[in-house]
Amino acid sequence: AQSVSQHNHHVILSEAASLELGCNYSYGGTVNLFWYVQYPGQHLQLLLKYFSGDPLVKGIKGFEAEFIKSKFSFNLRKPSVQWSDTAEYFCAVTSGNTGKLIFGQGTTLQVKP
Amino acid sequence: DAGITQSPRYKITETGRQVTLMCHQTWSHSYMFWYRQDLGHGLRLIYYSAAADITDKGEVPDGYVVSRSKTENFPLTLESATRSQTSVYFCASSDERRELGEKLFFGSGTQLSVL
Repeated sequence: AQSVSQHNHHVILSEAASLELGCNYSYGGTVNLFWYVQYPGQHLQLLLKYFSGDPLVKGIKGFEAEFIKSKFSFNLRKPSVQWSDTAEYFCAVTSGNTGKLIFGQGTTLQVKP
Repeated sequence: DAGITQSPRYKITETGRQVTLMCHQTWSHSYMFWYRQDLGHGLRLIYYSAAADITDKGEVPDGYVVSRSKTENFPLTLESATRSQTSVYFCASSDERRELGEKLFFGSGTQLSVL
């Protein structure tokens, strides 16, 4: 069955620190991968997506993610976080054949000023 | 109003009662989804629908029923509510499979408490 796993449930960083959030998925076929951010009291917002092509994708607000097919991973990175990045981050995957959109458990990021 | 709307915003019910959460979208999107959001579990897919009269189970469908007789509506029914179904429920829609996930629109959510 299709599933998504985020390893870090709660991350605390100081401003300017580098960020990497892990995401692994299980599905043997073609996948589309996403990272979303949810700021307090707001809806999910798409940060970046991977459909095909260059496995290193860049998104909004300085975020990027790398798709490593052999590891079934799609980790999110940011070289230098800001206090305003404090939010919850969700990895998600859809398979190529179905309309099923599955989210990971989410990672709460707290950035200390 | 245009967009995706959920009703009610808040609902308190008792164990064993039937509850229906409504979701309506005005874009004629093909895909619609129901998720529940719980602390530590993120968003879990309950049911989804690729078109009118086509529905399929998600990750946690037990205890829930959906229907999609019209493209714009996707109600979620808890047949006999249990305390474990206390959660925030989000409806979402997306137009085409190739844009699925990229253009995903969420409702404002329904906070359901089962006593």
